[in-house]
Amino acid sequence: DVVMTQTPPSLSVAIGQSVSISCKSSQSLVASDKNTYLNWLLQSPGRSPKRLIYQVSKLDSGVPDRFSGSGSEKDFTLKISRVEAEDLGVYYCLQGTHLPRTFGGGTKLELK
Amino acid sequence: QVQLKESGPGLVQPSQTLSLTCTVSGFSLTSNSVSWVRQPPGKGLEWMGAIWSGGSTDYNSALKSRLSISRDTSKSQVFLKMNSLQTEDTAIYFCTRGADWGQGVMVTVSS
Repeated sequence: DVVMTQTPPSLSVAIGQSVSISCKSSQSLVASDKNTYLNWLLQSPGRSPKRLIYQVSKLDSGVPDRFSGSGSEKDFTLKISRVEAEDLGVYYCLQGTHLPRTFGGGTKLELK
Repeated sequence: QVQLKESGPGLVQPSQTLSLTCTVSGFSLTSNSVSWVRQPPGKGLEWMGAIWSGGSTDYNSALKSRLSISRDTSKSQVFLKMNSLQTEDTAIYFCTRGADWGQGVMVTVSS
């Protein structure tokens, strides 16, 4: 199975600060169709996960452009510019290239 | 409007079988895949398996021997059945279409 390693496991931020979360995979996530299926999700406290980004850098509908995704092959980054209170929660990366699908361990974004 | 809603028993006895239903609306199961994901209390997310638009299935290798996913397209429902439940199967169980997630159902395995 593909292992997804997220760092850091937690982040303490002030509102308005910018942060980055890393996700590294044990195998390349480039699929046979040349697309890279790497997603980012946010789980706010007590809520279901919500997908923010798919295929490395494409924002889901309604997701603020403060969120951006980048990376390739095995190394990916989620950046949040100007963190707002609604951004707090646990972020997960999820690879959709290989079976079984696998999640990163999560990064908890907390208020400083 | 896309919706997914999980339903099933909140409490299951050890060694028994868990049966959950995901009822979807706003999209067709014949052109979308649905996955099941679970989350033990205070822990991360685990992909359990999926049923693809064509009806084939794939499972997490750690659960494959105990897990079955099926569907009834006429009722827009996806089913999860997992046998030989143990306390470590206590979790919130979600169904998801990728961009869209259900609210989840909490399942406790206890006698």
